[in-house]
Amino acid sequence: AQSVSQHNHHVILSEAASLELGCNYSYGGTVNLFWYVQYPGQHLQLLLKYFSGDPLVKGIKGFEAEFIKSKFSFNLRKPSVQWSDTAEYFCAVNGGNTDKLIFGTGTRLQVFP
Amino acid sequence: DGGITQSPKYLFRKEGQNVTLSCEQNLNHDAMYWYRQDPGQGLRLIYYSQIVNDFQKGDIAEGYSVSREKKESFPLTVTSAQKNPTAFYLCASSGPLNSPLHFGNGTRLTVT
Repeated sequence: AQSVSQHNHHVILSEAASLELGCNYSYGGTVNLFWYVQYPGQHLQLLLKYFSGDPLVKGIKGFEAEFIKSKFSFNLRKPSVQWSDTAEYFCAVNGGNTDKLIFGTGTRLQVFP
Repeated sequence: DGGITQSPKYLFRKEGQNVTLSCEQNLNHDAMYWYRQDPGQGLRLIYYSQIVNDFQKGDIAEGYSVSREKKESFPLTVTSAQKNPTAFYLCASSGPLNSPLHFGNGTRLTVT
């Protein structure tokens, strides 16, 4: 069965600090990987996704993620965070031929000015 | 505007009662989902449906039931068998395979 692990539950940073949020998945076949974000009071929205090709994918608001197949990882990065990045971030995975999307437990990011 | 509508936003029920949460989408999406969001546990998949008149259990289907009689609608019933029903419930839909999910604003259910 597929599963997703996010080991950072709560991250606190100052503005301009660099960010890396971990995501590891468990699945034997081809996977599609996603990062979703939930800003305070808003609904979940897609940040970026990986299906195939270049393992370094770029998303909205300066975020990027790198798929490392050998490590079963899809970590999210941003070189310099802003206060407006305060949100909860969810990694998600589905098998290549299924619509069943499994989410991680989420990472709450707080950025202080 | 296209989107997903979940109603009501807040719902209160007494223990032992079944309750049905509404989810409607006008995005013409084939796939629809129900997730439950609890603090520290992320989103857990309850049920999903890839096409009308068909649905599959997610990871925590016990105590829940769904129907998919119309493409636009995917109601979730929280039955009295669900041992811990108080939670925030999110409905989502997606288009062709591997398309991003579009989420509704959620329904917060409180059972006392």
